[in-house]
Amino acid sequence: ETGVTQTPRHLVMGMTNKKSLKCEQHLGHNAMYWYKQSAKKPLELMFVYSLEERVENNSVPSRFSPECPNSSHLFLHLHTLQPEDSALYLCASSQVSGLTGGYTFGSGTRLTVV
Amino acid sequence: TQLLEQSPQFLSIQEGENLTVYCNSSSVFSSLQWYRQEPGEGPVLLVTVVTGGEVKKLKRLTFQFGDARKDSSLHITAAQPGDTGLYLCAARRSGNTPLVFGKGTRLSVIA
Repeated sequence: ETGVTQTPRHLVMGMTNKKSLKCEQHLGHNAMYWYKQSAKKPLELMFVYSLEERVENNSVPSRFSPECPNSSHLFLHLHTLQPEDSALYLCASSQVSGLTGGYTFGSGTRLTVV
Repeated sequence: TQLLEQSPQFLSIQEGENLTVYCNSSSVFSSLQWYRQEPGEGPVLLVTVVTGGEVKKLKRLTFQFGDARKDSSLHITAAQPGDTGLYLCAARRSGNTPLVFGKGTRLSVIA
């Protein structure tokens, strides 16, 4: 399998649940990202991992917890979410080199918090 | 304040028409990218521009980076229904800093 794969594609969870989103890339990239996409808002950068180290945490609430066990896998652990956290969560990967590196995105996980 | 302003927000046109969408900022960028996102999918990279004044063509799509590297445009000639989607611009201020995205232009091409 090639590209960036995200699972699950859809997730409905209650505010007291704990769930995890998974992202896997088979491109040999050394950086991975979590973005949140909500209606009428630009993509919001949540977390960046470069060479398996977290290099950015954009003031994301602690109810979101990332994990990057190796350069090919990225998780987003969710607990006690709020309805306003409902959104499309996108994972991306890239090669950290130069100015022109583009991102390869997964298809996203559509999250609904009820 | 939005770092990257995209306009128009929505655009609905007939097949065969030409269109231009814009990405503007008051900041200078080291590079700028355009992505297209179709419903139910993640964004897909179309092009990267780096040099001020640069023009790149991808079949019927023409991308231009402003001379001052603060803005960009995407022109589509003879639009087709397959061009329908959300067009996102994204930019870096320097080096390997993460991309910042605009809100996008949602294009609908009607057959």
